[in-house]
Amino acid sequence: DAKTTQPNSMESNEEEPVHLPCNHSTISGTDYIHWYRQLPSQGPEYVIHGLTSNVNNRMASLAIAEDRKSSTLILHRATLRDAAVYYCILGYYNEKLTFGTGTRLTIIP
Amino acid sequence: EPEVTQTPSHQVTQMGQEVILRCVPISNHLYFYWYRQILGQKVEFLVSFYNNEISEKSEIFDDQFSVERPDGSNFTLKIRSTKLEDSAMYFCASSEVTGMNTEAFFGQGTRLTVV
Repeated sequence: DAKTTQPNSMESNEEEPVHLPCNHSTISGTDYIHWYRQLPSQGPEYVIHGLTSNVNNRMASLAIAEDRKSSTLILHRATLRDAAVYYCILGYYNEKLTFGTGTRLTIIP
Repeated sequence: EPEVTQTPSHQVTQMGQEVILRCVPISNHLYFYWYRQILGQKVEFLVSFYNNEISEKSEIFDDQFSVERPDGSNFTLKIRSTKLEDSAMYFCASSEVTGMNTEAFFGQGTRLTVV
């Protein structure tokens, strides 16, 4: 599985945008980039995924670098409910998700 | 919104006992998974299941573990003889299709405590 690198932790103020980075310099051309998050005491939750183009959904945006060696998950307006561990996961036609340690996001009221 | 349901939410069992963790995946999903998370550690893949058979399993998923889809709605994980190190949160997940161009839906988990 291709490896990803994320900061261990980040803080952000409530109601401000949050940019969560992920480096994946060994990504292959067919690897999708997925983001999941895990709120305290809950199961992982899908956030967004993409291949080459930037993606938007109701939860977040995913900005993918042109060379695909990095990506950024953008939460446009953080709320307290967004405090979670965020995981950046790569893979292609691989049935399993390989979770790393992720980024623990703390939201400051 | 459809969701994956797991029961029980918490199970305490004695070492050496058999446990069955139950999951109801989303109804039109075809692919089913079990993951586990030992307290303070990463979420780890255990097994994936499609078309009534295991499609992939990890090294963790040894002969003590088995999975079954006994009817059209339930998906179970059985641990035959529990060990202390099996204490963890166990998450069931399901998806419509396999591969990475899809999303997996996870349940809230079963906390298994082996004493």
